[in-house]
Amino acid sequence: DAGVIQSPRHEVTEMGQEVTLRCKPISGHNSLFWYRQTMMRGLELLIYFNNNVPIDDSGMPEDRFSAKMPNASFSTLKIQPSEPRDSAVYFCASSLGVRKAFFGQGTRLTVV
Amino acid sequence: DQQVKQNSPSLSVQEGRISILNCDYTNSMFDYFLWYKKYPAEGPTFLISISSIKDKNEDGRFTVFLNKSAKHLSLHIVPSQPGDSAVYFCAASDRGSQGNLIFGKGTKLSVKP
Repeated sequence: DAGVIQSPRHEVTEMGQEVTLRCKPISGHNSLFWYRQTMMRGLELLIYFNNNVPIDDSGMPEDRFSAKMPNASFSTLKIQPSEPRDSAVYFCASSLGVRKAFFGQGTRLTVV
Repeated sequence: DQQVKQNSPSLSVQEGRISILNCDYTNSMFDYFLWYKKYPAEGPTFLISISSIKDKNEDGRFTVFLNKSAKHLSLHIVPSQPGDSAVYFCAASDRGSQGNLIFGKGTKLSVKP
């Protein structure tokens, strides 16, 4: 199995631009999580989906952030407009019925 | 308010000695705990877990201890190896959360040869 696949690995964008991060979960997994890692706050859960349905988005910092999961094999996290304080590493993770998540390699986002 | 706390940002240990990483939690509803290891430029990888019905779980050189009354868990690595140098995250979940994990901020372990 290829594991959780995230793209791009690195993204540098200018403030105000739209950013879209992509995730392909492990085939057969039914839960998907988006996390953000910063020095100040560590690993924060932004949103998670169960069977493609958003269950808890209370971690999404602002309305500028949105996430979708149109099918079981794909999810996006969009930031529009982006700001320098959004700079972080964003991780996608997936799991199947057990409380152990498998993480992708992350997307390092830099907003200048 | 942080529900999972790792109060030591870093730990340095000599190769061959024991590494002890600590984690405290505040939510009494947590019933499942995990440790993840993270190397630079990689995602966290699962290391070991423990259910609240147990107080110890062992896997090779790694042992996790759970003290429910103190709301404290620890990860012991014996013997420590240079390849264990990484950031270790403690995580917890409760049965009603459908599996989402609450993470601590991590402890960076350095094992010196």
